[in-house]
Amino acid sequence: AQSVTQLDSHVSVSEGTPVLLRCNYSSSYSPSLFWYVQHPNKGLQLLLKYTSAATLVKGINGFEAEFKKSETSFHLTKPSAHMSDAAEYFCVVMLYSSASKIIFGSGTRLSIRP
Amino acid sequence: DGGITQSPKYLFRKEGQNVTLSCEQNLNHDAMYWYRQDPGQGLRLIYYSQIVNDFQKGDIAEGYSVSREKKESFPLTVTSAQKNPTAFYLCASSIGKGPDSNQPQHFGDGTRLSIL
Repeated sequence: AQSVTQLDSHVSVSEGTPVLLRCNYSSSYSPSLFWYVQHPNKGLQLLLKYTSAATLVKGINGFEAEFKKSETSFHLTKPSAHMSDAAEYFCVVMLYSSASKIIFGSGTRLSIRP
Repeated sequence: DGGITQSPKYLFRKEGQNVTLSCEQNLNHDAMYWYRQDPGQGLRLIYYSQIVNDFQKGDIAEGYSVSREKKESFPLTVTSAQKNPTAFYLCASSIGKGPDSNQPQHFGDGTRLSIL
């Protein structure tokens, strides 16, 4: 079965400290991977995407993610959290097979402590 | 600025009523999508369209209907057959022909539907 798992439903960090949001996927095919951010009562905004080029992907707002095929992971990181980073984050997998499919993770809510 | 416009932002429905959610995009994207988001869950695909006058069922199409008469517009009707319609509905679009491309999606700001 093909799936995407966000390992933490809620992450809380202090302002200025690193952020790590974890995402693992399961796929028999080479996927395309995305991270989106959603602020309350808003749509999703693309942070970054991986499509089989460089394994370390840089996105907007200082976020980056590393694709690790051996670990089937695509964790999102940021060196220093800002209060404006508080939001819901979604890991998304696009799978290519006879029935192409888009799978959203269940989301990780990021809280920032002052 | 180009983007996706969903209206209304909040919508209330009485039992047994059909309601239609609007989604318009001026990005010249071929593919459009409708998702449903429930608290604490990821997005679930209702319908998508890769081209005008064509659309495909997603994972949870029962109780919903769509049309794609114009490239810019992809309205979603929540019918009375949908027994639990209260949710946040998101419309998206992408370059390329839907899930077969690896292009990211652009999202509207959503419509929150509630039952009176």
